[in-house]
Amino acid sequence: DIQMTQSPSSLSASVGDRVTITCRASQGISNYLAWYQQKPGKVPKLLIYDASTLQSGVPSRFSGSGSGTDFTLTIRSLQPEDVATYYCQQYYSAPYTFGQGTELEIK
Amino acid sequence: QITLKESGPTLVKPTQTLTLTCTFSGFSLSTNGMGVTWIRQPPGKALEWLALIFWDGDKRYSPSLKSRLTITKDTSKNQVVLTMTNMDPVDTATYYCAHRPDSGSYYPYWGQGTLVTVSS
Repeated sequence: DIQMTQSPSSLSASVGDRVTITCRASQGISNYLAWYQQKPGKVPKLLIYDASTLQSGVPSRFSGSGSGTDFTLTIRSLQPEDVATYYCQQYYSAPYTFGQGTELEIK
Repeated sequence: QITLKESGPTLVKPTQTLTLTCTFSGFSLSTNGMGVTWIRQPPGKALEWLALIFWDGDKRYSPSLKSRLTITKDTSKNQVVLTMTNMDPVDTATYYCAHRPDSGSYYPYWGQGTLVTVSS
């Protein structure tokens, strides 16, 4: 299995801050990486796929980058509604594993 | 518009077999590249990928659970069924089904999820 490791596990930032979450794959996955946002009690929502393609309807303050083993999700200007847990997922090879999640809160 | 909905028991006893059904609309599982996957999430924990069935009947399973999982599809009914044998309290989780588009095994559309509790 490909292991996905996210850092940090939790993060506290202020409204308007630039926030970066990192995801590392245990082996190269090209750009077969997605990011999801899950708000408390809600269904996960796809934000980004193919490492950097923004899903339709997702605010442009979200962006993704990376290839190979190292990836980042960036929120350009943090908003209160961005409080959530964020997961990366690789779909290079089955099982299509998720990271352990990064919990983001507002200071 | 793609929608998916999970159905099945909310409570199962240890050692029993869990059968969950995903009923979907807005796409056909006979269309080239399409798939339906199952993902679960124990309370307060991370997402765990379980299984995927493709339009052509090909299947993928989580190796750690492969001996306990079976995924099948009924294209005419727009349903995918997941069975998990020998349920244990650690299998208590919200189980989601999700749509796999033809472009890759990422998931733009999810069901609402169904919480399954394993307890005697």
